[in-house]
Amino acid sequence: NAGVTQTPKFQVLKTGQSMTLQCAQDMNHEYMSWYRQDPGMGLRLIHYSVGAGITDQGEVPNGYNVSRSTTEDFPLRLLSAAPSQTSVYFCASSYGAPNTGELFFGEGSRLTVL
Amino acid sequence: AQSVTQLDSQVPVFEEAPVELRCNYSSSVSVYLFWYVQYPNQGLQLLLKYLSGSTLVKGINGFEAEFNKSQTSFHLRKPSVHISDTAEYFCAVTPGDDKIIFGKGTRLHILP
Repeated sequence: NAGVTQTPKFQVLKTGQSMTLQCAQDMNHEYMSWYRQDPGMGLRLIHYSVGAGITDQGEVPNGYNVSRSTTEDFPLRLLSAAPSQTSVYFCASSYGAPNTGELFFGEGSRLTVL
Repeated sequence: AQSVTQLDSQVPVFEEAPVELRCNYSSSVSVYLFWYVQYPNQGLQLLLKYLSGSTLVKGINGFEAEFNKSQTSFHLRKPSVHISDTAEYFCAVTPGDDKIIFGKGTRLHILP
């Protein structure tokens, strides 16, 4: 049982480059989300989705795009990377809304923007 | 707006000693409360949750937390810690919508 799989685990970008962080889950979860983790800041919600075709913004959405064409996948796109986007990114999913259940996290993707 | 405050950024404690990690929240509505743990170089995993019912909640690895509505607190406790408990612990709250709000985390350092 793979759970939540994130790729790549590590990535170095130059300012202005674009890239996509991939997230896939095999648990048939409706809810998926992306967080960034920075030292002393905890986890901050970037975008989330309550089902295929539905996405919404979280606390820090600027500079990031998402789409949800299937239940399994929820990619996070950086269109023009900036050094402020250097962070560890986590994808998480849950069967229903996260307020009653358990969020399952991937192992994270560490992104450095030079 | 809802928020979560973890009062200590780091907590050192000797092995086999008890520990309490403090969490306070603010919300104008009923909330659900969680503690998640992050071991080094891993994602977060759920320790325990309070949705309703008994205010004392037991979780995995011997941890427990008590919901105190009057003090708006949800402190995490363990009577005797082990070196394997070294991790970062996050308190989280959901006010009932589709978002979960995390605190900034408390690093638990176990001293030999």
